[in-house]
Amino acid sequence: GQSLEQPSEVTAVEGAIVQINCTYQTSGFYGLSWYQQHDGGAPTFLSYNGLDGLEETGRFSSFLSRSDSYGYLLLQELQMKDSASYFCAHNTNAGKSTFGDGTTLTVKP
Amino acid sequence: DAMVIQNPRYQVTQFGKPVTLSCSQTLNHNVMYWYQQKSSQAPKLLFHYYDKDFNNEADTPDNFQSRRPNTSFCFLDIRSPGLGDAAMYLCATSSIQGRETQYFGPGTRLLVL
Repeated sequence: GQSLEQPSEVTAVEGAIVQINCTYQTSGFYGLSWYQQHDGGAPTFLSYNGLDGLEETGRFSSFLSRSDSYGYLLLQELQMKDSASYFCAHNTNAGKSTFGDGTTLTVKP
Repeated sequence: DAMVIQNPRYQVTQFGKPVTLSCSQTLNHNVMYWYQQKSSQAPKLLFHYYDKDFNNEADTPDNFQSRRPNTSFCFLDIRSPGLGDAAMYLCATSSIQGRETQYFGPGTRLLVL
């Protein structure tokens, strides 16, 4: 089956760096995406890795290792507005996306 | 601005009374998805369309149906809502070439009384 594991909660302080890990088991793996969702809002796409390595988009970076079935989202220079839930989602070559259970990030002053 | 629109934002229905949620998009994307998200849980894919090609998830109850009359619109029909169907329903779109990036609408929160 398809499954993704990520920590349920992470807490960090403003200005810090935080890494949210995601391990997965899947067949027909196509890539790993990351989404941010604020309370009561819709998921918003952050980053995607189709190949091994690091993708950088401003303060957010994402990493993928296919051989380890592992990825992470790195958030730098944390701001209070970064408090949200973060989901990793793997995409299959059939076009389906399965989301992890999400990591709730709390940024403290 | 190109976007995904869902109406209504909040929907209240009675136990067993059919309800339809709607989604429209101005992105001209071929792929449209419907997800169910319950509190503090991940979005769960119910079904998706490649153009008019309907793809149902194996564990989506028969109570949930969908229609896509054209590229821009997609509907979620819940034939006999139960209390367990109260959730946020999210519509999303993607292009076929860019399936890794999904654009979500604001969602419809369904309350079943």
